[in-house]
Amino acid sequence: NAGVTQTPKFQVLKTGQSMTLQCAQDMNHNSMYWYRQDPGMGLRLIYYSASEGTTDKGEVPNGYNVSRLNKREFSLRLESAAPSQTSVYFCASSDSASVQTQYFGPGTRLLVL
Amino acid sequence: SQQGEEDPQALSIQEGENATMNCSYKTSINNLQWYRQNSGRGLVHLILIRSNEREKHSGRLRVTLDTSKKSSSLLITASRAADTASYFCATNNAGNMLTFGGGTRLMVKP
Repeated sequence: NAGVTQTPKFQVLKTGQSMTLQCAQDMNHNSMYWYRQDPGMGLRLIYYSASEGTTDKGEVPNGYNVSRLNKREFSLRLESAAPSQTSVYFCASSDSASVQTQYFGPGTRLLVL
Repeated sequence: SQQGEEDPQALSIQEGENATMNCSYKTSINNLQWYRQNSGRGLVHLILIRSNEREKHSGRLRVTLDTSKKSSSLLITASRAADTASYFCATNNAGNMLTFGGGTRLMVKP
């Protein structure tokens, strides 16, 4: 099992460009999450999907959109990238939304110039 | 806003010593979890302790939880160079989210 995979691993954007970060999990988990991690800090939740067909805002949703394409895949879209969105983005999944042990992907490093 | 706050922010010890990290949080929780992050990698789940538990062990890890003080500690015994990483506590309050603290950066010198 690959666990949680993310693409791309690294991306450079210019201000105003758009892009979609892809995430997939092969553990048949119900819940999926997108976080951002800024240097020297913990993770902040952007959006999550408790189950297929549902999405909800987290702590820092502004400037982002998400799509839960199916049970396996959860994508994060930046419509008009800003330098403040330079960060490392992590996708995670969990089997039980109530227990919340999460499994993380390797991350996508995004630089917005 | 961060629910959990780790202390210290950074810790440097010699191989073989014990490392203790603390986490404080603000609101009531269902469970508290500890994660490890090696440099440039994703987070890895270490241990979960439920609100009705006071202590839990997993290998060289020992976690305590004091809900009256809203605090938890992670003890790594007989540390190894491979334990060098950042350690994060995360709280599950209610619903579907975890809230992470800012982390403790642990360096274990050989």
